Amino acid sequence: DTGVSQDPRHKITKRGQNVTFRCDPISEHNRLYWYRQTLGQGPEFLTYFQNEAQLEKSRLLSDRFSAERPKGSFSTLEIQRTEQGDSAMYLCASSYLPKGLAGGPIPHEQYFGPGTRLTVT
Amino acid sequence: AQSVAQPEDQVNVAEGNPLTVKCTYSVSGNPYLFWYVQYPNRGLQFLLKYITGDNLVKGSYGFEAEFNKSQTSFHLKKPSALVSDSALYFCAVRSLGRALTFGSGTRLQVQP
Repeated sequence: DTGVSQDPRHKITKRGQNVTFRCDPISEHNRLYWYRQTLGQGPEFLTYFQNEAQLEKSRLLSDRFSAERPKGSFSTLEIQRTEQGDSAMYLCASSYLPKGLAGGPIPHEQYFGPGTRLTVT
Repeated sequence: AQSVAQPEDQVNVAEGNPLTVKCTYSVSGNPYLFWYVQYPNRGLQFLLKYITGDNLVKGSYGFEAEFNKSQTSFHLKKPSALVSDSALYFCAVRSLGRALTFGSGTRLQVQP
């Protein structure tokens, strides 16, 4: 399967603990996005990377959240001191922007992984 | 700020009948519009997108969408629904930023 993969698929943790999720994008994709989805809602943008650079962060991304993409391939999303309100599905997506078109106007579709469901007890 | 509205939480249609899932949007600048489908325990799957050009966009699995600039709408359509089309459908818009803004989703139920 050459799609976006996420690990773990499910995580149950106690309030106050730290958790880390991993996303492996489609191999040639240079853009990587993190979204959060709660029950009955559409995904909400958290942050995105172009290669290893984190270019945009949502106001939803509090100081307890940090994301990295150190080598421009896989990415991790860490939540420190988890709270019950952090319980959600965390989605990763990737897309490809050809070289030379950085900042260009044509958006390419994003391909989503299966998500990591976080439950904070 | 950009936003997307999906006014129907659920749409019910009989197999073989045409279906429409509604979406309206609000953006500054040119809208780039997308439809995604979500099946249980699976990730969001891309169906189609409107960037520019023809107002009728054709996508995967026989779906199409009609862009209407004056009504700021991007309704998803299919001429003949299948039971296997039953899923959660999301409309999304991208404007000035790089991220997508999603609607709250519409559950499509196709009855045999």
